[in-house]
Amino acid sequence: AQKVTQAQTEISVVEKEDVTLDCVYETRDTTYYLFWYKQPPSGELVFLIRRNSFDEQNEISGRYSWNFQKSTSSFNFTITASQVVDSAVYFCALSPRWGSRLTFGEGTQLTVNP
Amino acid sequence: DAGVIQSPRHEVTEMGQEVTLRCKPISGHDYLFWYRQTMMRGLELLIYFNNNVPIDDSGMPEDRFSAKMPNASFSTLKIQPSEPRDSAVYFCAIAAVGEEQYFGPGTRLTVT
Repeated sequence: AQKVTQAQTEISVVEKEDVTLDCVYETRDTTYYLFWYKQPPSGELVFLIRRNSFDEQNEISGRYSWNFQKSTSSFNFTITASQVVDSAVYFCALSPRWGSRLTFGEGTQLTVNP
Repeated sequence: DAGVIQSPRHEVTEMGQEVTLRCKPISGHDYLFWYRQTMMRGLELLIYFNNNVPIDDSGMPEDRFSAKMPNASFSTLKIQPSEPRDSAVYFCAIAAVGEEQYFGPGTRLTVT
């Protein structure tokens, strides 16, 4: 069985602060895929990043960065210099293979205050 | 970018009525997924199709739920009869081989 845990239910920061969203996963599969999705107040789910289990390189995209550590089964997401528009619910998800179900974490509600 | 149209965007119905949710992918894909989002259970997969064939329907709550994909451009999720506990946001998502899942805007269903 697969499980994703996002222990932080809500985080509130002030604009320009850095913030890290934690994600811990459980799986018995030797290969798997990890994802982050953003759900803004409008409700849609927006894909942010995917990671293969055999690629532990960290990734940076603008103000976003991701830290994948297989040893601790974690896939954390950092927003640098947060902005009000970053306010959303962020979901971490896990899949055993392409074309298979996503198992989502509970989500972290991020509020960035001006 | 992949695109998905879902209709209706909002649906309010009375308990016992039949509800049909529709999903229309507007770009190439190999897989189509139906997810449900509730406060209590979060985001959970209901069923998914590969090349129009149902692969995993283990998430379908009960016999009141059924899903079809008659062709690559259309899928429906039907609830009959509906109950208040079915109130949720229902998302359709698509994916091509080797690609991530892209979600539609969702249908907010309220059963009174």
